[in-house]
Formats: sequence, structure tokens, C-alpha cells
Amino acid sequence: SQTIHQWPATLVQPVGSPLSLECTVEGTSNPNLYWYRQAAGRGLQLLFYSIGIDQISSEVPQNLSASRPQDRQFILSSKKLLLSDSGFYLCAWIDNLNTEAFFGQGTRLTVV
Amino acid sequence: QKEVEQNSGPLSVPEGAIASLNCTYSDRVSQSFFWYRQYSGKSPELIMSIYSNGDKEDGRFTAQLNKASQYVSLLIRDSQPSDSATYLCAEINSNSGYALNFGKGTSLLVTP
Repeated sequence: SQTIHQWPATLVQPVGSPLSLECTVEGTSNPNLYWYRQAAGRGLQLLFYSIGIDQISSEVPQNLSASRPQDRQFILSSKKLLLSDSGFYLCAWIDNLNTEAFFGQGTRLTVV
Repeated sequence: QKEVEQNSGPLSVPEGAIASLNCTYSDRVSQSFFWYRQYSGKSPELIMSIYSNGDKEDGRFTAQLNKASQYVSLLIRDSQPSDSATYLCAEINSNSGYALNFGKGTSLLVTP
């Protein structure tokens, strides 16, 4: 069965510091991968999606970036965090038939 | 802008009752729909997906899809206090790498 790992679970970072969140998927190949952010009391906002290695699409302008160096690895990064980057970041995998979609455990990021 | 609409709630039902959660969507070509449960501070958990008109049952949960009315619902039978959570409705967005497009969620409270 497919599993999705995301780490770290929580992170407190100062403004201006870099960020690297990692997501890996097991039990599937060539998955579609996604990064979402959920701000406090708000819905899930799609940040990036990837349909293959080194194929990244951004949904919203921001100071975040994403990379997919391997088939089952998806990384969310920032060179300099802003206070507004605080939130709950979720990695997701959707199967090629669009019948199953699972999330990682999420990373609670607080920028101070 | 493709939208998924849900009443924010809270929806309060007594233990043992049927909880009915509703969702409408604006994109007529949407094919696949998902229901998630999200506990506070946790990542969304997949309850079920549906892509054919009619009902789909899984244990105490029944999803209903009406493509003509662009309406998806989730029924929870024999509601338990542990069902108290936010329920998220989502559609597949074919324009964003088949990402999930979420509603803002409905808060459900099951009272003992």
C-alpha cells in the first residue's frame, strides 16, 4: 500500500531564515505530488504541484519554491521566511486514476 | 474561478443521529469528489471518494453525488462524539495537475 511521509512535524523559525520541508512517497511510482498550506481558520490552498521529476508548477506567487529531485521526493523551500509564511503545510499524493488522495502528517510552521 | 462551497457550521447533532453534510461545486466538468475528516491540528483523513451519480456506502458513511445539480453530500449514520471534526469536500481540478480543490469545510459537533 502507499504511504506518504512528511517531516518535520513542527518547526519554529525566525524571520529571514531558510526553510526546507521534505515529503516522500512509498509504494507507488510516478505519483502526482502536491504542496498545500492551511492558514489558521482557513481552507487548504494549493501551492505547488508536480506530475514528474523536475516538473513543478506554482499556483500562487510567493517566496516559496518547490523541487522534485527524485520520483517520490517533493521538497518545499524558502530562502528567507516571512511572518506570513506561518501555517500548516501538507504534502499530498493523488493516484493516476484520481480515485485516491492522501496527505502526509503535515508540518506546523511558525515564523517568529 | 472554480469553487467548492460548504456551510462552515457548526452543525450540531446528538449522538446516534444522522449527520448530513452538503457541498456544491461550480465546475460542470468535475468528475471526482472526495470527503475528508480533519481533526484540529491534524492532517485530513480520506473518508471516501465518489465519481458516479448516486450513492456510495462505506460503513456508517454514505456519499451522494448529483452531477445535474452539482451537489455532493456525506451522511454519517449513528453519529459518535468521535466524529466531531471538520469535514472537507474536494473536487479534482484538471487545470492544476489534477490537484484537489477544497471547500472551507463544515465543523461537525456530535453531542453525547
